[in-house]
Amino acid sequence: KNEVEQSPQNLTAQEGEFITINCSYSVGISALHWLQQHPGGGIVSLFMLSSGKKKHGRLIATINIQEKHSSLHITASHPRDSAVYICAVIGIQGAQKLVFGQGTRLTINP
Amino acid sequence: KAGVTQTPRYLIKTRGQQVTLSCSPISGHRSVSWYQQTPGQGLQFLFEYFSETQRNKGNFPGRFSGRQFSNSRSEMNVSTLELGDSALYLCASSSGLEQFFGPGTRLTVL
Repeated sequence: KNEVEQSPQNLTAQEGEFITINCSYSVGISALHWLQQHPGGGIVSLFMLSSGKKKHGRLIATINIQEKHSSLHITASHPRDSAVYICAVIGIQGAQKLVFGQGTRLTINP
Repeated sequence: KAGVTQTPRYLIKTRGQQVTLSCSPISGHRSVSWYQQTPGQGLQFLFEYFSETQRNKGNFPGRFSGRQFSNSRSEMNVSTLELGDSALYLCASSSGLEQFFGPGTRLTVL
C-alpha cells in the first residue's frame, strides 16, 4: 500500500461544478503539499498545510492531522483548472523528501 | 526573485551514455531536491542536498548521483543510461518546508 493515496484517479466535470480531490496518508508528517501539473510538465505548489485550512481564490485546502486526511476543493471550476493535482507529504524528520500520491487527472469541460 | 531554473530542458541520449543535469535554486535557498517522474512510477524522490552535503537519498541505483556547489547550484549525473531512465527530472529548492519546482529536464534515452 502506498504511503499517500489519492482519490479519485480521474475526474471529469462540467464547468462551474464544485470539485473535491481527497488525499489520505499513513505516516506522520511535518507538512502536506498540494501541487498542480499542467501538460508539459511544470509543477506549481498550490498549498502547503500543516493544520487547518487555507484558501487562495477558488481553491481551498483542508487537512485533518488526526485522521491523516486532506482535501483540495475547487469552487466554480473552469476549463483552465484541467490539470493533474498531486498530493505530497514531508515526513516528521523534516528532510526535504516529498512522498507523492499518484495524482488526480482533472478535466473540466466547457 | 528569479525562480528555479534547470538546464537543459530537453535531452536525447543513447543507452550506455552518461548525462549531467543542472539546477539553479532560488537565491538564498540552500536546499535542493531532485525528483524523477515517469508514467509508470509517478514522482519519486532521488536525493536532497543542503549546504553541499547530501542529506537524504531515495531508492535509486548508484548510477544516479549528485552534488551541490557552494553557490547552492546542484547537478545530478546518471551514468550508463538505460531505456528506463527516460523521464522528466525535476528539481526543487526550498527554504523551510515549502518547495519551489523548476520546469524540469525531459530526458529521452534511445
